[in-house]
Amino acid sequence: SQQGEEDPQALSIQEGENATMNCSYKTSINNLQWYRQNSGRGLVHLILIRSNEREKHSGRLRVTLDTSKKSSSLLITASRAADTASYFCFFDTGGFKTIFGAGTRLFVKA
Amino acid sequence: DSGVTQTPKHLITATGQRVTLRCSPRSGDLSVYWYQQSLDQGLQFLIQYYNGEERAKGNILERFSAQQFPDLHSELNLSSLELGDSALYFCASSVDNNSPLHFGNGTRLTVT
Repeated sequence: SQQGEEDPQALSIQEGENATMNCSYKTSINNLQWYRQNSGRGLVHLILIRSNEREKHSGRLRVTLDTSKKSSSLLITASRAADTASYFCFFDTGGFKTIFGAGTRLFVKA
Repeated sequence: DSGVTQTPKHLITATGQRVTLRCSPRSGDLSVYWYQQSLDQGLQFLIQYYNGEERAKGNILERFSAQQFPDLHSELNLSSLELGDSALYFCASSVDNNSPLHFGNGTRLTVT
């Protein structure tokens, strides 16, 4: 995508391990959000971090934002088989909402 | 349940045809967004409406058009369909630009 990138494209881990996925972008943002998509379904909002925040937690999720590097990471701790899904980062530049890349496909093996 | 309703769930049509996809946003949400997701691809932003007016435009083809009605539901019209238009089309809604999006379950369009 011309707006940003996510990596890795795919990640396979064992249940109980942590999963980290990254997202980089190119423009100034108001906030950055992470979404999960189970196969063929609509996206579900996970967490939103504003441009003036550096870290945010929600349950087993931890998101960091580095606006100087224009990057964000999503950490899922103690992963479960149910976490198997695609994860997308999504940034808001104040009106033009883009989800970029093909996301990170996470597979958690039981 | 996100509260966003998309119909139909599945649509199979032939090349050259025209279809209309419908979206009812979550109650209270004024913004509606349309996205296209092709096989193994990320979501491509098509267009956004806010309270009936077009707010932002993304990678939407000229063969595609959309509108948001006074009751805030939205329709995406796809015409002169090509095989490459086969995809999942998602609608999402939000209260405002700084709020999370709520996605429908999508319409799977197959062009044969």
